[in-house]
Amino acid sequence: KAGVTQTPRYLIKTRGQQVTLSCSPISGHRSVSWYQQTPGQGLQFLFEYFSETQRNKGNFPGRFSGRQFSNSRSEMNVSTLELGDSALYLCASSLASSGGGETQYFGPGTRLLVL
Amino acid sequence: AQSVTQPDIHITVSEGASLELRCNYSYGATPYLFWYVQSPGQGLQLLLKYFSGDTLVQGIKGFEAEFKRSQSSFNLRKPSVHWSDAAEYFCAVGEPSTYKYIFGTGTRLKVLA
Repeated sequence: KAGVTQTPRYLIKTRGQQVTLSCSPISGHRSVSWYQQTPGQGLQFLFEYFSETQRNKGNFPGRFSGRQFSNSRSEMNVSTLELGDSALYLCASSLASSGGGETQYFGPGTRLLVL
Repeated sequence: AQSVTQPDIHITVSEGASLELRCNYSYGATPYLFWYVQSPGQGLQLLLKYFSGDTLVQGIKGFEAEFKRSQSSFNLRKPSVHWSDAAEYFCAVGEPSTYKYIFGTGTRLKVLA
């Protein structure tokens, strides 16, 4: 079974631009979570989607948004990029039949550099 | 608020030595507990998890972890470290009532030959 895939793997953007990242979960997984990883902050939870609905959201500004499609693929969007948005963005999928107890499977991440 | 603390940012051990990585959590009830490993440029790979039952959990690559409710800890151990274990290790808590996971800031392990 193929793992979680994320595209693109690397991105360079400039301040003020927007960016869209994509995540394809493991086949059969219906939950997708997004995390921002930076050296100083570790992994910070962005949001989680299940059956096209956002079930939980972390403490990030409204510039960060996401969505999930009917095939469980998910995208996250960051508008008006700031230098501090430079990070590794990780996507994780799970079956999500129960809350908080599912094993999450992570993709390799998208490394975003904002100049 | 729920939190996960990994007090050691960096740990260096010699190959063949034993290893213990510390993890403490703050949560009102018994959470679901996880340890993940991240190699450079890679995503996170699950080492082991604890949901309930036996407090000593066995994982992949020879790792084990022990849940101690009285200490709110879930420390990761390995009796003999291999050079390939050099990576960053993350402890995480899954909240049973939500769909949220909280990660510690990670411990970077260096292995000396």
